[in-house]
Amino acid sequence: AQSVTQLGSHVSVSEGALVLLRCNYSSSVPPYLFWYVQYPNQGLQLLLKYTTGATLVKGINGFEAEFKKSETSFHLTKPSAHMSDAAEYFCAVGPGDNQAGTALIFGKGTTLSVSS
Amino acid sequence: DSGVTQTPKHLITATGQRVTLRCSPRSGDLSVYWYQQSLDQGLQFLIQYYNGEERAKGNILERFSAQQFPDLHSELNLSSLELGDSALYFCASSPTGTAKAYGYTFGSGTRLTVV
Repeated sequence: AQSVTQLGSHVSVSEGALVLLRCNYSSSVPPYLFWYVQYPNQGLQLLLKYTTGATLVKGINGFEAEFKKSETSFHLTKPSAHMSDAAEYFCAVGPGDNQAGTALIFGKGTTLSVSS
Repeated sequence: DSGVTQTPKHLITATGQRVTLRCSPRSGDLSVYWYQQSLDQGLQFLIQYYNGEERAKGNILERFSAQQFPDLHSELNLSSLELGDSALYFCASSPTGTAKAYGYTFGSGTRLTVV
């Protein structure tokens, strides 16, 4: 069965600092990978996704993530944090081709705090 | 506005009662997925409907059921409610029968409080 592990339930950075949110997945075949962001009292919004092709994926709001098959990782980064980046971030995995299942499996989330 | 509409936004009810949560998917999307979000369990997949038919089941309790209507809106029915059912319930939609390559568009959720 597929699973997602987000390392660190809470990450704190200063404004302007590098943001690194970690995600590791478990899958027997190359999966589809996603990062979502949830602001308070809102639904989840897609930040970026990896399906096939280039392993470095760029998303909205300056975020990017790199798919590393050898490390089974899909870490999310942003070079310079902004106060508006404070939110909860979820990594999710979708079944790979020829795998059963249709739904995304989510990690438990990482809360990002940004201080001035 | 994501295009996925969930009503009501908030619901407070007593133990033992039954409630219905409603979701209208984004225009053109055929699949609706229901998730439960709680502090201890995170986001748990409950059930998926695709073009009116049940497509996949996750960790959905027998007290819960769902359906998707011809106009593609979906309802999640929760009965014999317990305190532990208090959570945020999200609906998400995707264009096809699988979210593999597309991901989801989420609604803003229904916060259910059971007292």
